[in-house]
Amino acid sequence: GAVVSQHPSRVICKSGTSVKIECRSLDFQATTMFWYRQFPKKSLMLMATSNEGSKATYEQGVEKDKFLINHASLTLSTLTVTSAHPEDSSFYICSASNTGTGELFFGEGSRLTVL
Amino acid sequence: GDSVTQMEGPVTLSEEAFLTINCTYTATGYPSLFWYVQYPGEGLQLLLKATKADDKGSNKGFEATYRKETTSFHLEKGSVQVSDSAVYFCALRKRNSGNTPLVFGKGTRLSVIA
Repeated sequence: GAVVSQHPSRVICKSGTSVKIECRSLDFQATTMFWYRQFPKKSLMLMATSNEGSKATYEQGVEKDKFLINHASLTLSTLTVTSAHPEDSSFYICSASNTGTGELFFGEGSRLTVL
Repeated sequence: GDSVTQMEGPVTLSEEAFLTINCTYTATGYPSLFWYVQYPGEGLQLLLKATKADDKGSNKGFEATYRKETTSFHLEKGSVQVSDSAVYFCALRKRNSGNTPLVFGKGTRLSVIA
């Protein structure tokens, strides 16, 4: 079945550093990928829609300079949390949309802890 | 805008009990409806889905029927197991096209005790 790989699954970093999270569709092309953030015991909040070869579309309230998204190929989108602070600690989940069918597949998630 | 409302948790049940998790939605048109499950420390897994009114999605003993008249998609299982303990998310998708995201409910945590 279709697989979306997200890496790293866990990362701990110091405040002020930047962290990059990768989302790869392993056996299908994904023109569009979505990035969600999940707060503890809360739902998934859509952060941005990432389209291959163009700028990401950010949801209201999400700082685009803070959360940099790059979607340089049909199988890879990256989310970079810049100058991370403890309040950025969260579970980040990506979802890739199969270009051919529109079906969505989720990555395993990345837990970021900022000390 | 589009939204999903699901029952507040946590829900605690004994093994073999009947499960219902209510979910209602607000959306124009005819969205597709989904239930996702998240086991502790893991990402989301699609549990079941329905794409049009009166469709019934089913998987692993779970069922949900797309009710247009009540804008609902309640999740049911006749006999839960300890291994069903997880967080369950109801979601809708306006269109099954590439650039349309899922809209999630807040999730319902289920704990099943032996």
